[in-house]
Amino acid sequence: GAVVSQHPSWVICKSGTSVKIECRSLDFQATTMFWYRQFPKQSLMLMATSNEGSKATYEQGVEKDKFLINHASLTLSTLTVTSAHPEDSSFYICSARIQGNSPLHFGNGTRLTVT
Amino acid sequence: AQSVSQHNHHVILSEAASLELGCNYSYGGTVNLFWYVQYPGQHLQLLLKYFSGDPLVKGIKGFEAEFIKSKFSFNLRKPSVQWSDTAEYFCAVNIPKGGADGLTFGKGTHLIIQP
Repeated sequence: GAVVSQHPSWVICKSGTSVKIECRSLDFQATTMFWYRQFPKQSLMLMATSNEGSKATYEQGVEKDKFLINHASLTLSTLTVTSAHPEDSSFYICSARIQGNSPLHFGNGTRLTVT
Repeated sequence: AQSVSQHNHHVILSEAASLELGCNYSYGGTVNLFWYVQYPGQHLQLLLKYFSGDPLVKGIKGFEAEFIKSKFSFNLRKPSVQWSDTAEYFCAVNIPKGGADGLTFGKGTHLIIQP
């Protein structure tokens, strides 16, 4: 089946530094990837939609300059949290689909802790 | 914007009990509806989905869900649960605008099945 690999699975960084999270579709080409964020005891919230070769579409309230998304190829999308602060500590998860209404395949998520 | 409400955040049942997890969404137009499950230590995976047609949808592992348009609901059911059904369950919706849209998730229901 389709596999989405997300790396790293957890990361601890100091306030003010930047962190890059990778999302790879291992055995399929993903025209679209999605980035979500989950705060404790809350739902997954869509942050942005990433289409290969074009700029990401951010949801309302998500700072595009803080959460940089790059979808450089059909198998890789990256999320960079720039100048991270403790309030950015959260669980970030990506998903990918081949096309249209095909099912989403999720990565295992990344637990980010900013100290 | 659409939203998804899951009524129960924690549910504890004994094996062989019947299960019904509530899910309501708020959007007046056509939607696609999903239930995702996350077993302990694993990634999110699709349980079942509804796009159109028969409102009673059957998924994997004996789960089913019924779409009731008049009630904006998509409740998940299983006649007899097993210990292995212990997991986090998420209801999700997206709007089929013809593009590749991300999902709006409910807050999830943590289901614990006691042997």
